[in-house]
Amino acid sequence: ETGVTQTPRHLVMGMTNKKSLKCEQHLGHNAMYWYKQSAKKPLELMFVYNFKEQTENNSVPSRFSPECPNSSHLFLHLHTLQPEDSALYLCASSQGLAGGGGELFFGEGSRLTVL
Amino acid sequence: AQSVTQLGSHVSVSEGALVLLRCNYSSSVPPYLFWYVQYPNQGLQLLLKYTTGATLVKGINGFEAEFKKSETSFHLTKPSAHMSDAAEYFCAVSQRVGSARQLTFGSGTQLTVLP
Repeated sequence: ETGVTQTPRHLVMGMTNKKSLKCEQHLGHNAMYWYKQSAKKPLELMFVYNFKEQTENNSVPSRFSPECPNSSHLFLHLHTLQPEDSALYLCASSQGLAGGGGELFFGEGSRLTVL
Repeated sequence: AQSVTQLGSHVSVSEGALVLLRCNYSSSVPPYLFWYVQYPNQGLQLLLKYTTGATLVKGINGFEAEFKKSETSFHLTKPSAHMSDAAEYFCAVSQRVGSARQLTFGSGTQLTVLP
């Protein structure tokens, strides 16, 4: 059991569907992240939120829409996805930004398949 | 720009043998360096990190890594492999870009431990 919980663990959706991924952290951290993990590729940072404010958007297509209502919750809203968006989506949190040396705590990920 | 290179996407060792996972980085400024481990169906977990001070860093589960500035390397070692060490290992580098620090992950090395 980790301090970062992601739901759902698995999601299959069609290209016209709208779905959301949810992440909750119970560690009292101020920063939260979405990463995309695809086979044979480095971990890709998508979004960073620090104290609920988005501080990084790594040129992510608009079909991915993040939402951070408070420092404990992070959502990733998905719509009109493409098959190449199939991947493991990892949420993480840290006390202090990761680039500054803060340790990232990851959830177990949401495995997304786009048909 | 910074980059992280992990030599060998797959490494196999016998149980009890030395584990050596290689990581080289490119950086024009002092980096922060990290090793994360990912067990099957789980998120990433910090093994160890170097920010400042002693260049030989000890982490969890008997792993250690040495920062060698002259070689721009941060290789991960463990004297004696255990079956439970089978996982994917990621090297990450944080360096200052403008006014902020950015964290970049390598592509990962899958470690197999043979009985």
